[in-house]
Amino acid sequence: AQTVTQSQPEMSVQEAETVTLSCTYDTSENNYYLFWYKQPPSRQMILVIRQEAYKQQNATENRFSVNFQKAAKSFSLKISDSQLGDTAMYFCAFMGASAAGNKLTFGGGTRVLVKP
Amino acid sequence: GAGVSQSPSNKVTEKGKDVELRCDPISGHTALYWYRQSLGQGLEFLIYFQGNSAPDKSGLPSDRFSAERTGGSVSTLTIQRTQQEDSAVYLCASSSRDSLNYGYTFGSGTRLTVV
Repeated sequence: AQTVTQSQPEMSVQEAETVTLSCTYDTSENNYYLFWYKQPPSRQMILVIRQEAYKQQNATENRFSVNFQKAAKSFSLKISDSQLGDTAMYFCAFMGASAAGNKLTFGGGTRVLVKP
Repeated sequence: GAGVSQSPSNKVTEKGKDVELRCDPISGHTALYWYRQSLGQGLEFLIYFQGNSAPDKSGLPSDRFSAERTGGSVSTLTIQRTQQEDSAVYLCASSSRDSLNYGYTFGSGTRLTVV
């Protein structure tokens, strides 16, 4: 079974600065997908960024980028130029390509607080 | 609809009562998922539907939990004889067959409080 670990329960960052959230996972699969989701107080999970394991290039979406280290099974998220609206819970998630139903397995989350 | 809709948004129930939580997925999405999120925790998988069938119900915590989906659309999660440990946010998500690997679209969840 896959496991996803987020070792930082909470992070704070000053507005306009950069914060990096760590995520490690454990799997025996070679092909899979990794995700970062944002959950603001509204509770709705919002997809931030997605990475395909067979692609070496790190995914980037505007101010959000990842550092994907397949051999180390590490998938960190960097938020650049942090904005007050980035305050939320962030969840790392794993999806095996061979898993029936493409079930997402989530980490425990990191709470990010952006301070003005 | 434009998004995944869940109702009610909040539900307070007495211990021992039954509750039904509803999920209305995005039109045309064949896959539907239920997750549970306890306070300050990550998301715990409960059950997955493909059409009206549930190939994976491995996450249902006990036989007090059941779910069904009708017409390949709306799904209902039922919790019988609720216990205080059932208090959590129940999140529903849906996905189309072509976008399974692109993640899901989530609803805003139902916050269940058992008193």
